Amino acid sequence: DAGVIQSPRHEVTEMGQEVTLRCKPISGHNSLFWYRQTMMRGLELLIYFNNNVPIDDSGMPEDRFSAKMPNASFSTLKIQPSEPRDSAVYFCASSSAGGRNEQFFGPGTRLTVL
Amino acid sequence: AQKVTQAQTEISVVEKEDVTLDCVYETRDTTYYLFWYKQPPSGELVFLIRRNSFDEQNEISGRYSWNFQKSTSSFNFTITASQVVDSAVYFCALSERDFGNEKLTFGTGTRLTIIP
Repeated sequence: DAGVIQSPRHEVTEMGQEVTLRCKPISGHNSLFWYRQTMMRGLELLIYFNNNVPIDDSGMPEDRFSAKMPNASFSTLKIQPSEPRDSAVYFCASSSAGGRNEQFFGPGTRLTVL
Repeated sequence: AQKVTQAQTEISVVEKEDVTLDCVYETRDTTYYLFWYKQPPSGELVFLIRRNSFDEQNEISGRYSWNFQKSTSSFNFTITASQVVDSAVYFCALSERDFGNEKLTFGTGTRLTIIP
């Protein structure tokens, strides 16, 4: 089975532009997580979904960030408008049956905002 | 609030030496889960192991072993006979409860460099 799929793998954009990151979780997994990794702040949980419903978005830095999960096999993380401080690696992860199980991570999207 | 501390920021050892990565956690719950992840230079995060709070049995997988001690709130990771391919950043993580709170809290990671 394929792992978590993320696209694009790299994104370079200019400040003020809209950025959309995409994620396809592992089939059968009912929980999906978006993380951001930076040198300064390490790995931060932005938001997670359970059965396509957002459960906790307390990690979303501000209103410029939004995430959706329209169905069990697809999620997006959107930044509008983007700023240079949003530059980071964004990971999507999925897991099955609750927090007791391991999360499997996608390869990440490296975002650079100029 | 849950917390994970990896006090060792960076470790360098010569190939074939053994190395232990420390992880100390804080939680008020009696039910929780501990994890280790590896992030090699290529950047992906690779799951290594999961432990639940009721299972203090140590585990060995090849050259890897894990020592879970509730008395000291530690979940340490040892690599025996290290190899250059073990060079990576290793993260310890904690998840509390079963349903309703699925967050993983990650430590800040330990960067391990194996010198050939």
